[in-house]
Amino acid sequence: EADIYQTPRYLVIGTGKKITLECSQTMGHDKMYWYQQDPGMELHLIHYSYGVNSTEKGDLSSESTVSRIRTEHFPLTLESARPSHTSQYLCASSAGQVEAFFGQGTRLTVV
Amino acid sequence: RKEVEQDPGPFNVPEGATVAFNCTYSNSASQSFFWYRQDCRKEPKLLMSVYSSGNEDGRFTAQLNRASQYISLLIRDSKLSDSATYLCVVTTGGGADGLTFGKGTHLIIQP
Repeated sequence: EADIYQTPRYLVIGTGKKITLECSQTMGHDKMYWYQQDPGMELHLIHYSYGVNSTEKGDLSSESTVSRIRTEHFPLTLESARPSHTSQYLCASSAGQVEAFFGQGTRLTVV
Repeated sequence: RKEVEQDPGPFNVPEGATVAFNCTYSNSASQSFFWYRQDCRKEPKLLMSVYSSGNEDGRFTAQLNRASQYISLLIRDSKLSDSATYLCVVTTGGGADGLTFGKGTHLIIQP
């Protein structure tokens, strides 16, 4: 089992609320990623990080922001949630050019 | 042209049959290759890495053809539990764009 954890697993929240999705890994991986995936659809990269204090936007434009203050922690924040943000958010980490490990995901519903 | 292309399927295959699908990649500098499996509403999990010499893990065989720039996955004696989406992943050099996911091939094993 991969040592990468996401919380919460499920979140239902009202429009306009600020939310933070947590992602932590204990493998010491430098690279971390956030993907967004709708049911039955492909993964879309929204943010990634090479290491501490490094964050980059991915292929899919997102209103969310991320931070990487510690190697093991890569939280994603939405300042004002909207129904269009309803989706599954998957966090992953990797060490260089090897396989990535995924957390179990956060299923977000904005009502 | 997409960097990593897969036939989305679905592939409907009777239990016990052999099924194979390919994934093509456009970047000749690609370095590492993987097959992931994703079950419905779950996170992707590494199925197997793909080596230049090809590799086998039980009923699964993965092969790499660098000249034609594709990788393949063969599943023998398919089981109902093999029903899932199979994602092709290719890495190039550096950056999160070095980790490229295909859209996935949806496989349905029928009793």
